[in-house]
This record gives sequence, C-alpha cells and structure tokens, in this order.
Amino acid sequence: DTGVSQNPRHKITKRGQNVTFRCDPISEHNRLYWYRQTLGQGPEFLTYFQNEAQLEKSRLLSDRFSAERPKGSFSTLEIQRTEQGDSAMYLCASRPEGGANVLTFGAGSRLTVL
Amino acid sequence: AQSVSQHNHHVILSEAASLELGCNYSYGGTVNLFWYVQYPGQHLQLLLKYFSGDPLVKGIKGFEAEFIKSKFSFNLRKPSVQWSDTAEYFCALREGPQLIWGAGTKLIIKP
Repeated sequence: DTGVSQNPRHKITKRGQNVTFRCDPISEHNRLYWYRQTLGQGPEFLTYFQNEAQLEKSRLLSDRFSAERPKGSFSTLEIQRTEQGDSAMYLCASRPEGGANVLTFGAGSRLTVL
Repeated sequence: AQSVSQHNHHVILSEAASLELGCNYSYGGTVNLFWYVQYPGQHLQLLLKYFSGDPLVKGIKGFEAEFIKSKFSFNLRKPSVQWSDTAEYFCALREGPQLIWGAGTKLIIKP
C-alpha cells in the first residue's frame, strides 16, 4: 500500500494519560501535515513539517501537544495529560514538494478520552 | 481571518437529481480552492481544485465547480447524482502552507 498510513486507528484512554499517534506518509512526500477533526466540523490545522523541520504550529495548539518527524519520514503526534476535549479524529496528510497543497490523507486515528 | 462557509450541513436527494453544494470564502487575494470528499469509512480525497485560469473546473466522477470571484463562491455541481455519491463534501481554501476548511456537507442519495 503506497498511501498514508496512520496507527492506531482507534485509541480509548482515560483522562490524564498520554497518547501517541504515528503517521507514515507516502515515501516521496517531504511535506507532512497533522489536522484534527471533530464531529460536524472540517479539519483544523495543527502543524506541518518539511522533511524533519516543523515549520508551522497552530496557535490553537496546547503545549500538551507535540509532534516530531525525526528522520523526515514518519511522524508522531503526542498528546500529554489528555482531556475530554481532545477527543477527535487526528488526520495526517502528505504532499510532495511543489504539490500545490494537494494533500493525500490517511484514514485517521480516532481518540476517545473518557 | 480567512474563512470558508458551507451553507448546507445536510442534503438529501433522489438518484438522478441535480446537485449544487454551496461554498463561500472570505479572502481578497489570489485563491486556491479545493473540494474534498469523504465516502463512508474512507479517508478524505480530492475531488477537484482551482488555482487559476478557466473558472469552471472539472473533477473526478462527473463533478465540477465554478469559481465566481465577484461572489466569493466555489460551488460544487453534478448534473445527475448516484447512490454512490453519498458522502461528506468539504470545501477548502489555501492559506499559506495550510488549508482552511468548511464544516462540510453531508449528502445522502436515496436509491
């Protein structure tokens, strides 16, 4: 499969726990994005990488959220001390350099915080 | 701040009916606009995009959209829908490296 892969697909956790999501983009794509989507809303930008460099992070993003892309390939998104308001679908997308913002999305990782 | 509005949150149509989903944006400069679709249980995928040139753009599966600058609109159309078009449709506007998304329209096609 040459698409964008996200794991786990579903995560249920208790409030206060830490969770980590992984995204494997299409191999030749050097741009990687994280979005969050809640019910009834469109995706909301969280952060994006060009290779291993995190170039932009949403001002709405709490300090409890951190993302990495250490070798410019896969990326992880960690949420520390989860809150019920963090329950959402976390989407990863990638595109090649010069891809004009035409994103290829993964299936998402759904987080439920109890 | 730039924004994208999709007026209809839910649309129900019968097969063979014509479709038009509204999308309005707020931004005064050069725009790049997109329609994405999410079929049940699947990931978001691109339907069509507008960057410049002909304001009538054609996408996959018989969809098209018209960019009307004076109305700040980018409405999605299809002359005859099929049951398989049941999905959620999102309009998006490029803002720098990211996309600003509308809230989506859930389309249900009755067989």
